[in-house]
Amino acid sequence: AQSVTQPDIHITVSEGASLELRCNYSYGATPYLFWYVQSPGQGLQLLLKYFSGDTLVQGIKGFEAEFKRSQSSFNLRKPSVHWSDAAEYFCAVGGFGYKLSFGAGTTVTVRA
Amino acid sequence: DAGVIQSPRHEVTEMGQEVTLRCKPISGHDYLFWYRQTMMRGLELLIYFNNNVPIDDSGMPEDRFSAKMPNASFSTLKIQPSEPRDSAVYFCASSLVRGAEQFFGPGTRLTVL
Repeated sequence: AQSVTQPDIHITVSEGASLELRCNYSYGATPYLFWYVQSPGQGLQLLLKYFSGDTLVQGIKGFEAEFKRSQSSFNLRKPSVHWSDAAEYFCAVGGFGYKLSFGAGTTVTVRA
Repeated sequence: DAGVIQSPRHEVTEMGQEVTLRCKPISGHDYLFWYRQTMMRGLELLIYFNNNVPIDDSGMPEDRFSAKMPNASFSTLKIQPSEPRDSAVYFCASSLVRGAEQFFGPGTRLTVL
């Protein structure tokens, strides 16, 4: 069975500071991995994805994520956070069957 | 280029009433997914279709829930009869055959009184 764990329910970060969101997955084969962002009252928007190849992937809005097979992790990072990055972030894992499993989400609060 | 379209955006109904949620996937996408999001349970996959055929409905909570996809550009999720515990945000998403990334609609916020 596939699953995702996001250990941090809520993170508060100062504007301009760096951000790292943790994601650990369980999957029996090479996974497809995703990070989505959800602003209040909105749907989920894809930030970035990993299918294969380079383990460091770049996404939109200045985000990047690194796939570490040995640690079953796919952590999301941003070097300098903007107030508009306040949102909920979801990590997801899937495979060829196109059925995604989502983590519980991490809420990011940005303080001035 | 329109994304996934859902209607209505908000629905308030009374317990026992029938509720129908609608979704139009992105043109050309062969997979369509229905999710439910609540504070308690997070984002749950209810059912998904491939080429209009339901593939996995194991997430549908009860027989009160049903979903159809009569053609490639339209799907419905129906709850009959509705109950207060069905209150949630329901998302529709679609994806291409060979791309596992899913594109989400804006969601329908359902409140059952």
